[in-house]
Amino acid sequence: GDSVTQMEGPVTLSEEAFLTINCTYTATGYPSLFWYVQYPGEGLQLLLKATKADDKGSNKGFEATYRKETTSFHLEKGSVQVSDSAVYFCALLLSSGSARQLTFGSGTQLTVLP
Amino acid sequence: DAGVTQSPTHLIKTRGQQVTLRCSPKSGHDTVSWYQQALGQGPQFIFQYYEEEERQRGNFPDRFSGHQFPNYSSELNVNALLLGDSALYLCASSVGTEYGELFFGEGSRLTVL
Repeated sequence: GDSVTQMEGPVTLSEEAFLTINCTYTATGYPSLFWYVQYPGEGLQLLLKATKADDKGSNKGFEATYRKETTSFHLEKGSVQVSDSAVYFCALLLSSGSARQLTFGSGTQLTVLP
Repeated sequence: DAGVTQSPTHLIKTRGQQVTLRCSPKSGHDTVSWYQQALGQGPQFIFQYYEEEERQRGNFPDRFSGHQFPNYSSELNVNALLLGDSALYLCASSVGTEYGELFFGEGSRLTVL
C-alpha cells in the first residue's frame, strides 16, 4: 500500500544551522506531497506542498522538491530558528482514484537550541 | 475567523465505555475528516464526512462511527473502548474537492484506563 517513510528523530540543532529532514514515499499512482508542522500545543498546519514531479514547495524559509526518480520529498531550511522547534510530518495524497486521503509519515521532532 | 474547534480537549474513560468527540469546522468549510494520532506516530485517517454522509473510511472497525450535521459540524463516536484507543483525535476541515488543504484542530486527547 501507499506509505511515507520519514527520517527518524529527534533532531537537535543549534540556531542558524542547516536542516534536512528526509522523506521518501511509496505510491501506486502519482501523489501530491505535503509537509505539515505541529507546534507544541497546536494543531497540524500545512507548511508546503508539491503536486507534480520537479515542483518545489516553499514557505517560511522551508523548501522541498518533489523528486519522482528517487521518490523523495526532503524538507530543507538554510538557517533554523528556535521558533522552528516542532514536529514535522511528511504526507502524500493520491491525485486520482478514490483513495483521496492523506497518508502521513511518523513525524520528526525538531528541537532548535539558542 | 475561528479555525477548527474541538471538544473536549482532554478526557479519560474506562474500557468498555463509549465516547463522543465534537468538531466545528473552519468557517466556510463543508468537509470534515477525522484522524487518530497515537503517541509518537503520524495521524491515521478514520473517515471523512461531506453533505452529512460518510464519504471515505480508513482501516478502522465499526466501533468508530460519526455524524455530520446540517451546519457542517461533526461528531466522532467510539463504542466499547479499548486501551489501544488512547490517542489524540484530530478533526480537519476543508472545502469540497480541495482535500489536500486541511485545516486541523488542536485535537481531543483520549485516555482509556
